[in-house]
Amino acid sequence: AQTVTQSQPEMSVQEAETVTLSCTYDTSENNYYLFWYKQPPSRQMILVIRQEAYKQQNATENRFSVNFQKAAKSFSLKISDSQLGDTAMYFCAFMNTAAAGNKLTFGGGTRVLVKP
Amino acid sequence: EAGVAQSPRYKIIEKRQSVAFWCNPISGHATLYWYQQILGQGPKLLIQFQNNGVVDDSQLPKDRFSAERLKGVDSTLKIQPAKLEDSAVYLCASSFGTSAPEQYFGPGTRLTVT
Repeated sequence: AQTVTQSQPEMSVQEAETVTLSCTYDTSENNYYLFWYKQPPSRQMILVIRQEAYKQQNATENRFSVNFQKAAKSFSLKISDSQLGDTAMYFCAFMNTAAAGNKLTFGGGTRVLVKP
Repeated sequence: EAGVAQSPRYKIIEKRQSVAFWCNPISGHATLYWYQQILGQGPKLLIQFQNNGVVDDSQLPKDRFSAERLKGVDSTLKIQPAKLEDSAVYLCASSFGTSAPEQYFGPGTRLTVT
């Protein structure tokens, strides 16, 4: 079974600065996807970014980028130029595409607080 | 494009009562998921449907939880009878399929069992 670990329960960052969230996972699979989801106080899980394991190039979406280290099974998220609206819980998630169903396994989350 | 719809947004019941949640996925999405998110934790998959068939219900407490997806579109999740430990947010998600595996979530239903 896959496990996803987020070792930082909470992080704070000043507006306009950069923050990096860590995520490690454990799997014996070679083909999979990794995701970062954002969950603001409204509770809606919002997809931030995805990474296919077979791609060496790190994914980027505007101010959000990842550092994917497949050998180390590490998948960190960098938020650049932090904005007040980035305040939320962030969840790292793993998807084993070899298994039927494409279910997501989530980490425990990291709370990010952006301070003005 | 309309997102995943869920209702109700909030529900408070007493233990041993029953409750039902409804989900309408994004149009065209064949796969539908129900997750349980206990406060302070990441979501945990309860059940997954592909069209109107169950793909994975290994984590569904079948003695009290049931779910259906008649006609392969809307889905309902029912708890009967509810226990205190069922207090959680119930999230519904949908995805197009293997070629586009991203899951899109609804706003969730917060259930409080007293």
